[in-house]
Amino acid sequence: GQQLNQSPQSMFIQEGEDVSMNCTSSSIFNTWLWYKQDPGEGPVLLIALYKAGELTSNGRLTAQFGITRKDSFLNISASIPSDVGIYFCAGLPWGGATNKLIFGTGTLLAVQP
Amino acid sequence: DAGVIQSPRHEVTEMGQEVTLRCKPISGHDYLFWYRQTMMRGLELLIYFNNNVPIDDSGMPEDRFSAKMPNASFSTLKIQPSEPRDSAVYFCASTKGGEAFFGQGTRLTVV
Repeated sequence: GQQLNQSPQSMFIQEGEDVSMNCTSSSIFNTWLWYKQDPGEGPVLLIALYKAGELTSNGRLTAQFGITRKDSFLNISASIPSDVGIYFCAGLPWGGATNKLIFGTGTLLAVQP
Repeated sequence: DAGVIQSPRHEVTEMGQEVTLRCKPISGHDYLFWYRQTMMRGLELLIYFNNNVPIDDSGMPEDRFSAKMPNASFSTLKIQPSEPRDSAVYFCASTKGGEAFFGQGTRLTVV
């Protein structure tokens, strides 16, 4: 099925560093969502974006809905060990089936204390 | 609300056996999704329902897979007969307005 291009695939960083990851698509999206998946658990919604250009924060997390509506970014500031996990972007394509989310391939984040 | 509830959390079965995975969506959510997650293929949408009606089952890999939603609070995903390549984590998710909420998943191992 269709998937979003998410990068990087993995990141290995030191505690305290900032992190940035992004998702891109060749088509326009109405909604962008960012999820985090801990080992052995289901994805948990972190941030939802609904308007082009929208910038939303959730604690140390900040995400943006790209102006072109074809991309989104997630930044994590001052990373801590519990940030470890897989981060997924997801989106609802413009003109697509209602509520049929398309997922990115995921970014694996490892944080060394 | 307790969130999306899936059972069992883990299932180990022998090849050829029937497997049934269960899901209780969040009350009031009118969409329910079944996903499969593997290392190789990531998160794949298998099928989704709107108001208990299957809308898109194009992700269901084979006729061995079937899903039902007899009412707004319960759905099943059945694999019959199961094969080793069906081993994966199966997630159920529900939504009302675009933001999908996931269950904890069922880790299926077919030996």
